[in-house]
Amino acid sequence: GESVGLHLPTLSVQEGDNSIINCAYSNSASDYFIWYKQESGKGPQFIIDIRSNMDKRQGQRVTVLLNKTVKHLSLQIAATQPGDSAVYFCAERGSARQLTFGSGTQLTVLP
Amino acid sequence: EPEVTQTPSHQVTQMGQEVILRCVPISNHLYFYWYRQILGQKVEFLVSFYNNEISEKSEIFDDQFSVERPDGSNFTLKIRSTKLEDSAMYFCASSEALAGPYEQYFGPGTRLTVT
Repeated sequence: GESVGLHLPTLSVQEGDNSIINCAYSNSASDYFIWYKQESGKGPQFIIDIRSNMDKRQGQRVTVLLNKTVKHLSLQIAATQPGDSAVYFCAERGSARQLTFGSGTQLTVLP
Repeated sequence: EPEVTQTPSHQVTQMGQEVILRCVPISNHLYFYWYRQILGQKVEFLVSFYNNEISEKSEIFDDQFSVERPDGSNFTLKIRSTKLEDSAMYFCASSEALAGPYEQYFGPGTRLTVT
């Protein structure tokens, strides 16, 4: 079936280092792919999205890469900070704008 | 900054009881959604709502679930006869755009505990 999934459940990085979070998807028909951040006890928070006809998009300290050949999405966070510690979900948008989320990666930033 | 709000933050109910979860989407938004997240699992889509009708629903959203926009500001999710497996965080979200890129803004969630 169609699904969005994450490669690693946990990721620990040193403060100041760059983080890379990966995601695999299987639905080629999705028009947008999105990264969300979820802090404990809060709802998902939008980070960045990328349209399916693009392969790279940059935001503030974040970059999303889309490789449609291998159906792979990644989120790069530059100079990771303690406030970046959270669970990160990739999601894809369906035809009715519903989001299908992956299973999440817990990012821990070490001092 | 405008935000989606949800009440209550925590709802405890007995199996078989009806619950209504409430949401106030961002005022100029046109699309509304409910998602749920069982503890430790991923966020799952339940239903999307536009122009006073359901535009899409998942397999989870069976006859026990219903949504309503009773007035110009509230968006509710009703579960008619709760089951133990309905225990989860329920998130409301809203978005503005009709087409093109958009962002779904999520509320803080309601934790539903069915005993």
